[in-house]
Amino acid sequence: EPEVTQTPSHQVTQMGQEVILRCVPISNHLYFYWYRQILGQKVEFLVSFYNNEISEKSEIFDDQFSVERPDGSNFTLKIRSTKLEDSAMYFCASSVTGNSNQPQHFGDGTRLSIL
Amino acid sequence: SQKIEQNSEALNIQEGKTATLTCNYTNYSPAYLQWYRQDPGRGPVFLLLIRENEKEKRKERLKVTFDTTLKQSLFHITASQPADSATYLCALDGGLTGGGNKLTFGTGTQLKVEL
Repeated sequence: EPEVTQTPSHQVTQMGQEVILRCVPISNHLYFYWYRQILGQKVEFLVSFYNNEISEKSEIFDDQFSVERPDGSNFTLKIRSTKLEDSAMYFCASSVTGNSNQPQHFGDGTRLSIL
Repeated sequence: SQKIEQNSEALNIQEGKTATLTCNYTNYSPAYLQWYRQDPGRGPVFLLLIRENEKEKRKERLKVTFDTTLKQSLFHITASQPADSATYLCALDGGLTGGGNKLTFGTGTQLKVEL
């Protein structure tokens, strides 16, 4: 069964450094998402992306965050200047369409640790 | 403000019994409600989706109900097995407030099925 893959599984970065998290969504899916989960807390929406544009973003997704689909398969999340509070699991997800009746398929996440 | 509540305490049940998990929400008018399973260190895995005008949905040993008057969904696992042990997440779409396809998750309920 097709799956969403994310790399790396664990990223350790010094505070203030830039980090790029990578995702390969399921190939026939058109909508892509990033969520994060701080340890022990709930999964939180960051951003949704369709047709090479952000379709929605949360308050968490400030100017330090950006997303990109650099080629036909990858979907990336960049954090420009990381803060301690960015430490979390970051999940990429994709869905066939953007309709609310579609399930979202999640990768197994990248654990980001900011030192 | 919008709020989704799930039992924060873990639920321990014996193998073979039916597990019932609760999701309550306030200040929401979702069009769809979804249930996901999350294992430690893994991403959420989609289980079931129910529409706001559906009362009940079933899939194998799983059953979901959705009561928009009570603003509550119940998630049942019948004939539970130790392999069902995981955290179960309730998620709502943006619904009538125009939140589109972003998902808002509850904190999850940890289920442990004992032999």
